[in-house]
Amino acid sequence: AQSVAQPEDQVNVAEGNPLTVKCTYSVSGNPYLFWYVQYPNRGLQFLLKYITGDNLVKGSYGFEAEFNKSQTSFHLKKPSALVSDSALYFCAVRVHNAGNMLTFGGGTRLMVKP
Amino acid sequence: NAGVTQTPKFQVLKTGQSMTLQCAQDMNHEYMSWYRQDPGMGLRLIHYSVGAGITDQGEVPNGYNVSRSTTEDFPLRLLSAAPSQTSVYFCASSYKGHGGREQYFGPGTRLTVT
Repeated sequence: AQSVAQPEDQVNVAEGNPLTVKCTYSVSGNPYLFWYVQYPNRGLQFLLKYITGDNLVKGSYGFEAEFNKSQTSFHLKKPSALVSDSALYFCAVRVHNAGNMLTFGGGTRLMVKP
Repeated sequence: NAGVTQTPKFQVLKTGQSMTLQCAQDMNHEYMSWYRQDPGMGLRLIHYSVGAGITDQGEVPNGYNVSRSTTEDFPLRLLSAAPSQTSVYFCASSYKGHGGREQYFGPGTRLTVT
């Protein structure tokens, strides 16, 4: 069975500094990996995905993620954080043999301080 | 397009009551799913559907029923509510594909069972 781990419950960063939100995964076969963001009292919004190809994936709002097969990681990054990036971030992997359904990590709360 | 809509936004039930959470999408997506979100546990898949008339169980299906009579609608039924079903419920939809299609999420239903 597949699984996703987000080792940090919360990440604090100052505005303008680079940010990293960590994610590791466990799947059999090739992973399909996703990042979603959730703002307060809202549903999840898609940020970016890795299916195949270049290990550095660029997504919405200036976010990017680096796929590392040897370390089974898919960390989310942004060169310069904004206060408006403060939200709950989820890493997810596609469930095997269940369409496009996902297994999610526990989520990481990102707090960007002015 | 309205995207994915869910009703109601909030609901309080007493133990043993039944109810139906509604979900509809107007994007002609083949795949639909229900997740529940609990603190620190991310989102967990309850049931999903890959097309009208086809449903299957996810990770946490006990206590819930679904049906998919049309492409647009995918209601979730709680048969006999229990306090353990207190959660935020999200409906999602996506196009059919090779597994790399992102999901679109509704705004959620916050359910409290007393």
